[in-house]
Amino acid sequence: QQQVKQSPQSLIVQKGGIPIINCAYENTAFDYFPWYQQFPGKGPALLIAIRPDVSEKKEGRFTISFNKSAKQFSLHIMDSQPGDSATYFCAASKGGATNKLIFGTGTLLAVQP
Amino acid sequence: KAGVTQTPRYLIKTRGQQVTLSCSPISGHRSVSWYQQTPGQGLQFLFEYFSETQRNKGNFPGRFSGRQFSNSRSEMNVSTLELGDSALYLCASSFLGATYEQYFGPGTRLTVT
Repeated sequence: QQQVKQSPQSLIVQKGGIPIINCAYENTAFDYFPWYQQFPGKGPALLIAIRPDVSEKKEGRFTISFNKSAKQFSLHIMDSQPGDSATYFCAASKGGATNKLIFGTGTLLAVQP
Repeated sequence: KAGVTQTPRYLIKTRGQQVTLSCSPISGHRSVSWYQQTPGQGLQFLFEYFSETQRNKGNFPGRFSGRQFSNSRSEMNVSTLELGDSALYLCASSFLGATYEQYFGPGTRLTVT
């Protein structure tokens, strides 16, 4: 049973555009929602994360929007650059006695110059 | 601080053999988790260790095992390798405490022929 659904599967934007990647979760026990960026041949790198007690978090050009009632969260990349071209994964964790992350299926982002 | 290191980076094995992968967490981090990444199944949780104890285990057969040493370094072992075990095996470390942040290593690319 997939507990974190991610969309779209792939996304192409022009330089300067604002790609938006969406995730939805089912388990209301999740209390930590990170986003990871992965380049080919590399491990995932933690970008930004949010807890359910806030509706938005911004770090640099990356913003997470969180809708607890809808059980959805999304990543926005402002002023996207070709160097942002990568695969992005959302994830969720129940925290507490475990760090286990449940990942979405990933979004392949291409930012065209 | 140095990041998470994984050895070896690449490995080719034959069906039926066994393999051991190693992970050294970020200095001071006491929790280590392992994930398998494949194009078909995405990122899946294998197991998690804290203070030499397995805290959580994913839905993988008993051929997959792991352990953690007193210096927090971790190893995972896969016995009787199958073609389907070909994957990128990722290790993530975290401090454990108020933050759930996990940092991934570059992974070990295992190819089973």
